[in-house]
Amino acid sequence: EAGVTQFPSHSVIEKGQTVTLRCDPISGHDNLYWYRRVMGKEIKFLLHFVKESKQDESGMPNNRFLAERTGGTYSTLKVQPAELEDSGVYFCASSQDRGGHEQYFGPGTRLTVT
Amino acid sequence: GQNIDQPTEMTATEGAIVQINCTYQTSGFNGLFWYQQHAGEAPTFLSYNVLDGLEEKGRFSSFLSRSKGYSYLLLKELQMKDSASYLCAPETTSGTYKYIFGTGTRLKVLA
Repeated sequence: EAGVTQFPSHSVIEKGQTVTLRCDPISGHDNLYWYRRVMGKEIKFLLHFVKESKQDESGMPNNRFLAERTGGTYSTLKVQPAELEDSGVYFCASSQDRGGHEQYFGPGTRLTVT
Repeated sequence: GQNIDQPTEMTATEGAIVQINCTYQTSGFNGLFWYQQHAGEAPTFLSYNVLDGLEEKGRFSSFLSRSKGYSYLLLKELQMKDSASYLCAPETTSGTYKYIFGTGTRLKVLA
């Protein structure tokens, strides 16, 4: 069984540019989460999809971030325009069920905004 | 508010036992997860506690006290490959089911 995959593994962009991160969850996992770790800080929740519906996007920093999961399969996270403080590692995770179930994490996308 | 506290770094010797403590304050607590993360890799699941008490799984055990907002991860017979960050992650139902992570404890295992 393939794990959670994320693309790209590393992205370097200039301030003001746009970047789109992609996450492919484990097949059959309805729940998909995005998290972010900025330098030296803890991993923080961004949002949660159940299939194509956003259940909770309380962790999204601001309206420069847009997450989609059309069709309920893979998800994208777009940052537009990127700012320096957006640099960090963006993790995606998926789980079969909500609550009390292990989340399987992808390897993360390291985003560097210069 | 939500707050997770765990030590930043710990060092132990190969073959020894180490206990990593975590205290937490969250709203809508639904259980606590421990994850292991090697540098540059994805966090991987170690354990889950929903009831008070000790859960044992091979060399790793995890304990939870819901009333005290306290958990620990116990690693026995340490191996070099156990050098990693250990993330305490209470699951909250505030909004949706989601993890609230601590900053993690970086464990170094010395020969």
